[in-house]
Amino acid sequence: DAGVIQSPRHEVTEMGQEVTLRCKPISGHDYLFWYRQTMMRGLELLIYFNNNVPIDDSGMPEDRFSAKMPNASFSTLKIQPSEPRDSAVYFCASRAGGNQPQHFGDGTRLSIL
Amino acid sequence: DAKTTQPPSMDCAEGRAANLPCNHSTISGNEYVYWYRQIHSQGPQYIIHGLKNNETNEMASLIITEDRKSSTLILPHATLRDTAVYYCIVRGNFGNEKLTFGTGTRLTIIP
Repeated sequence: DAGVIQSPRHEVTEMGQEVTLRCKPISGHDYLFWYRQTMMRGLELLIYFNNNVPIDDSGMPEDRFSAKMPNASFSTLKIQPSEPRDSAVYFCASRAGGNQPQHFGDGTRLSIL
Repeated sequence: DAKTTQPPSMDCAEGRAANLPCNHSTISGNEYVYWYRQIHSQGPQYIIHGLKNNETNEMASLIITEDRKSSTLILPHATLRDTAVYYCIVRGNFGNEKLTFGTGTRLTIIP
């Protein structure tokens, strides 16, 4: 079965540029999550959606970050403008309802120069 | 969510059972115990979860004490590919989607 698919796997760009990360959740999952992982702060939840609706975005660091889920099979996380401190690995995860576990993608390694 | 405590690191010989402990003494009645692992540069991988009964799947077994204040993840026949950081996470079932990943246990399988 296909897992959570993220693209690109690696992104290197200069500060000030717009960055868009993409995620395709597991089919049938109605929850989608965006996380960020750094050495200093570990794994942090940024935002999550339920049935394509953003439920909790309290982890989004600032207004430069935005996330959308236009349909059940696609979500984006956008950073505009990007800054060097945004460099991290960004993970997308999805899960079915109830007590089902989250399943993670392999992440996007983002480097802002 | 209840806080969890895990040893920072463990070694296990290849082919032996790896037993990873986790303390969650403040767990409440509706909170599940989840185990994930993360192999370098990959996303966290779900292993197993349970509420109060012991659970087993193709990857591992989860033993939860009767008072639910601690649990043990058992990898029955460890291989080199099981070298990873293992996270024990406690989460309620309703209304709180946040998985709090602590520092975990770095498990090294020794050839």
